[in-house]
Amino acid sequence: AQSVAQPEDQVNVAEGNPLTVKCTYSVSGNPYLFWYVQYPNRGLQFLLKYITGDNLVKGSYGFEAEFNKSQTSFHLKKPSALVSDSALYFCASRRDKLIFGTGTRLQVFP
Amino acid sequence: DSGVTQTPKHLITATGQRVTLRCSPRSGDLSVYWYQQSLDQGLQFLIQYYNGEERAKGNILERFSAQQFPDLHSELNLSSLELGDSALYFCASSVLAGANNEQFFGPGTRLTVL
Repeated sequence: AQSVAQPEDQVNVAEGNPLTVKCTYSVSGNPYLFWYVQYPNRGLQFLLKYITGDNLVKGSYGFEAEFNKSQTSFHLKKPSALVSDSALYFCASRRDKLIFGTGTRLQVFP
Repeated sequence: DSGVTQTPKHLITATGQRVTLRCSPRSGDLSVYWYQQSLDQGLQFLIQYYNGEERAKGNILERFSAQQFPDLHSELNLSSLELGDSALYFCASSVLAGANNEQFFGPGTRLTVL
């Protein structure tokens, strides 16, 4: 079975500090992993994906994610958070269908 | 703006009714997906079409059906509506159907069943 877990419902971080949003996956075979962001009253926006290759994936708006096969994790990171990064973040994996985690609300305080 | 359009933005209807949600994919995208987002179920994949053919099915109820037309737009039909069908319905599209293709999401249709 394929599943994605986001253990934190909410992450709070001060502006300018580094941020991490955690994601672990359970997928048979090689996983295709994605991060999406959802702003209020908007659809999801694609941030980045891991298909194969370099474990560190760079995406939009300065975000990056590190694929760790031994820990089955795909944490989203950003070196310096902005207030405008405050949103709902979804990790997802795909074999035949895209399976989303439950989402993590990121709150960046000025 | 992702390039995916959905109409209507909001829909309010009564139990037992039938509604149709419409989606136009990004120009050039052949694959269309439908998702349901609700507080209790989270984001759930419903169904995928690729170039007019059903490609994958998720947690889609028998009361729900979808199709993709020759011009690649898609419609999601919801019938015998229940209170629990109230949710945000997203359409997404991708260039191809493969698992490595990122999907681009529309702004959603908020369905309220009273």
